[in-house]
This record gives sequence, C-alpha cells and structure tokens, in this order.
Amino acid sequence: AQSVAQPEDQVNVAEGNPLTVKCTYSVSGNPYLFWYVQYPNRGLQFLLKYITGDNLVKGSYGFEAEFNKSQTSFHLKKPSALVSDSALYFCAVRDHNTDKLIFGTGTRLQVFP
Amino acid sequence: DAGVIQSPRHEVTEMGQEVTLRCKPISGHNSLFWYRQTMMRGLELLIYFNNNVPIDDSGMPEDRFSAKMPNASFSTLKIQPSEPRDSAVYFCASSPYGGQRQPQHFGDGTRLSIL
Repeated sequence: AQSVAQPEDQVNVAEGNPLTVKCTYSVSGNPYLFWYVQYPNRGLQFLLKYITGDNLVKGSYGFEAEFNKSQTSFHLKKPSALVSDSALYFCAVRDHNTDKLIFGTGTRLQVFP
Repeated sequence: DAGVIQSPRHEVTEMGQEVTLRCKPISGHNSLFWYRQTMMRGLELLIYFNNNVPIDDSGMPEDRFSAKMPNASFSTLKIQPSEPRDSAVYFCASSPYGGQRQPQHFGDGTRLSIL
C-alpha cells in the first residue's frame, strides 16, 4: 500500500533561518509527490510537485523540495524562513491505480520573529 | 480564474437536521473530491467523481452521508440526519480527469458545527 509519513508534528524555526519539513514515502513504482500548505481557515494550496526529472523541484513562495529515491524522501525546504510561512504543511503521494492523493498527517511550521 | 467555490462557508445546525454542502469545481476539471478534516482524524477522503460518476465512496462514513454530481459544474454532499460527531471542516477539490500528474485544487471549505 502506498503511504506518506511526516515524522514531525511541529517544526519551529527563527525568521531568516533555513527550514526543512520532512516527508518520506512508500510506493510501488515511480512516485508522484506533492506539497501543500494550509493557512488558517483556508483550503490546501498547492506548493510544488515532483513527477520526473530534476531531483530539486522549485515551487511557490520560495519553497523547494528535494526528491531522494534512495532514502524515499521528499523534504520541503526554504533557505530563509518568514513569519508568514507559519502554517500547516502536507506531503502527499498519488495513488497510481486511482486519482486519489494519499496525504500525510501534516506538520505545523512555526516561524518566530 | 475562479477557484473551487464552496458554500456555505459556515453552517451551524442542530442534530437531526439535514445539511447540504455545495461545491462548484474549476471549469474544465473532470475529477471532484470531497474531504473531511478534523483534529482527531486529520484529512479524510470521503468520495470522488470522474466525469460526474462516483468512482470510490469507500470513505463515506455512514449511510447518513450521500453525494451527488448532477453536472460538471456542481456537486453536493448531504448529511441526513446530522449528528454532533459530523462536526468538521469539509473540503471540495477538483483536478483534470486522469491528471495523476496534476495537483488537486481545494476550495476554502465549509466549517460545519452540529449542536
């Protein structure tokens, strides 16, 4: 069965410091991976995806993610965090047999001034 | 471009009442998904449609829940009768059909409170 794990419930980082939000996956075949962000009282917003090609994927708001096949990871990164980046972040993998997205449990990012 | 539109944004009602949540997907998107989000269970997929046809409703919790998609631009999720444990935020999302490589686009949800 395909699955996604986000091992950290919360990540705290100071503004201006680099941030990493971790995600590991388990799939059969090539993974289609996604990151979403959710701000308070809003729906999930698409940040970036990995389908194939370059292992470093760039997305919205200065975020990027690195696909690592040997470690089955797809960590979300940003070189310099902003207070406005504080939100709930979800990693997801596409189920190859359906159109479903398998979501992780989410990681709350808190950026302190 | 207009995104996925959900209504109402908030709904408060008493247990036993019928609740209807509405969704308008992005024009041209052929797949539509209904999710429920709670603190305890996180994000759960309830049902999804391809070309207005329900494909997988295995996430629908009980027979009290039903969903329809009468045309490509409208879907409803109905709860009858509602119970306090149905309180949650319900999201609708859409994506191009067969778009395994494409992201799902979410609406801003309906916050449902059953008293």
